[in-house]
Order: sequence, then C-alpha cells, then structure tokens
Amino acid sequence: DAGVIQSPRHEVTEMGQEVTLRCKPISGHDYLFWYRQTMMRGLELLIYFNNNVPIDDSGMPEDRFSAKMPNASFSTLKIQPSEPRDSAVYFCASSFSDTEAFFGQGTRLTVV
Amino acid sequence: GIQVEQSPPDLILQEGANSTLRCNFSDSVNNLQWFHQNPWGQLINLFYIPSGTKQNGRLSATTVATERYSLLYISSSQTTDSGVYFCAVGSGQAGTALIFGKGTTLSVSS
Repeated sequence: DAGVIQSPRHEVTEMGQEVTLRCKPISGHDYLFWYRQTMMRGLELLIYFNNNVPIDDSGMPEDRFSAKMPNASFSTLKIQPSEPRDSAVYFCASSFSDTEAFFGQGTRLTVV
Repeated sequence: GIQVEQSPPDLILQEGANSTLRCNFSDSVNNLQWFHQNPWGQLINLFYIPSGTKQNGRLSATTVATERYSLLYISSSQTTDSGVYFCAVGSGQAGTALIFGKGTTLSVSS
C-alpha cells in the first residue's frame, strides 16, 4: 500500500482565503484522524472519524475549521477564512480497527 | 485528559553511544506508540507497544502499563537516528486518537 497520502505537500495562501487540505487513508482502514503540529502546541488531535462518521471534533480550534469524510477513501480539512495563526503542519493518519496509527507526510500551511 | 511527559527533552550523543528515552503517562492506556520524526518532518512508526517488550534491530521498547511508563532504547546510535522521538498514547473508545508528548530531540554526531 502507498500509505496515507496527503495533498498538497505545501500551501501558501493569503489571509482570508479558503484552504482545503486533502487526505487519502490506507485502504481498509476504518479510523481517520487529523492532527496539527506547531512549535508552541506540539502535535494535537483536531478531529477523528470512524467509518466515515465524525466521532470527536473537540480539538477543532474554531468554527473556521471544518472536516468531512464523504467516503472511506477521502477526507478534507477546510479552513475558511484562513488566518496567519493557522500556519502549521497538518497531518492525517489512519488506523484499522483502532490499532496502530500511520501518518501521512503532512501538509505545511503558511498563511501570509 | 491524559498527560504525557517525555524525558530528557534534548539528548546529544556521539555515534556509537547507547541511550534510553522515557515516557510517563498519567492514566491507563490501551495504545502506546513511539515515532521518529526525521529532519524532513515525516512521522515514522517505530513501535506499537501498549504493553510488553519489542525489538527491531538497534531499537527496542518496553511498556510497563501498570506503572504507566514506557522506555525506548537506542543502541549503537548513528547520525541517521537524529531527529525528534515522540511517545503517543490513547485510551477509551478510540485508542488511536493519540495524545502526544512534547518529544525528545536527539542529535547524534560523528
């Protein structure tokens, strides 16, 4: 398997613009997670899905953030409108039946 | 929520040296993973080890769940071992909803 695939790898956008990050989990995995990594806060869980259903979104920082999983092979994390403090590396991860989690290569987001 | 503490925060080694990284957690867990974040930012799985001992080459890990700690051993370190080592734990309904420690930054020089 190719692993968890995220796109784009890098994104530079202007403040106020909409940003969409994409994730393709490992085939057959039934859990999908979105994390954010910053120097100040480290790696923090934003939201996770089980069988395409959002289970816990308590880590989503604000209403400007939203996540969807329309099918088992695709998820998006959207920020609208983006702000400079959203600059971070965003990771997607997946796992099978709540065992070992595997991470994608991340999307480095810069909001100027 | 669960607190995860890693020590030491920073470690500098000469190539060939051995090291032990520690992870303490504040409550019972049903998942524990060790990751290596390389200089390119990739999170690489090292061990899935909610309990017991595992070995993979020069690396090994032990988790004593009843005492709420895990140890990662690196033997004969190499420059390619440099990076940040994270311990992450999970509990409850979704053990893979991981809570990460702040990491140990390892620098290995030749």
